[in-house]
Amino acid sequence: DAGVIQSPRHEVTEMGQEVTLRCKPISGHNSLFWYRQTMMRGLELLIYFNNNVPIDDSGMPEDRFSAKMPNASFSTLKIQPSEPRDSAVYFCASSLPPKNYEQYFGPGTRLTVT
Amino acid sequence: AQSVTQLGSHVSVSEGALVLLRCNYSSSVPPYLFWYVQYPNQGLQLLLKYTTGATLVKGINGFEAEFKKSETSFHLTKPSAHMSDAAEYFCAVSYQAGTALIFGKGTTLSVSS
Repeated sequence: DAGVIQSPRHEVTEMGQEVTLRCKPISGHNSLFWYRQTMMRGLELLIYFNNNVPIDDSGMPEDRFSAKMPNASFSTLKIQPSEPRDSAVYFCASSLPPKNYEQYFGPGTRLTVT
Repeated sequence: AQSVTQLGSHVSVSEGALVLLRCNYSSSVPPYLFWYVQYPNQGLQLLLKYTTGATLVKGINGFEAEFKKSETSFHLTKPSAHMSDAAEYFCAVSYQAGTALIFGKGTTLSVSS
């Protein structure tokens, strides 16, 4: 079975540019999570969706960040405009509550903003 | 706020030695508990989980963990380390299915021959 798919795997962009990260959750999973990993802050939740509806976006740093889930098989995380401090690895994860409590992670997108 | 503490950001062991990675959570309500492993430049892979039932849980690659409610701990162990175990390990908790995981800061395990 295909796991969580993220694209691109690596993204290098200049400050001020728009960045869009993409995620395809595991088929049938109804919860989707976006996390960010940095050396300073570790792994932190940005936003999560249940049944395509955003439930908790309190981790989204500021208005420059936005996330959508137009259907059960696709989500995007957009940063506009990007800043060097956004450089991090962004992970998408999915799960199938209440049957399963664990989350399955994608390989991540390594974002570098210069 | 709920938190997860992993004691020791870096643990070094010799091949064949016992591996012990510590995790404590702060909550009066028992959470659901997880250990994930991350190899360089890869995503997080689930090692094991505790939700209900037996407090000693076995995971992949010979790892196991024991949930101790009285100590609010969920330490990860492996009797004999292998070179391939070198990676970063994260303890995580959640309090409701379908909600976000709260992660510890991670422990980097080094294994020497």
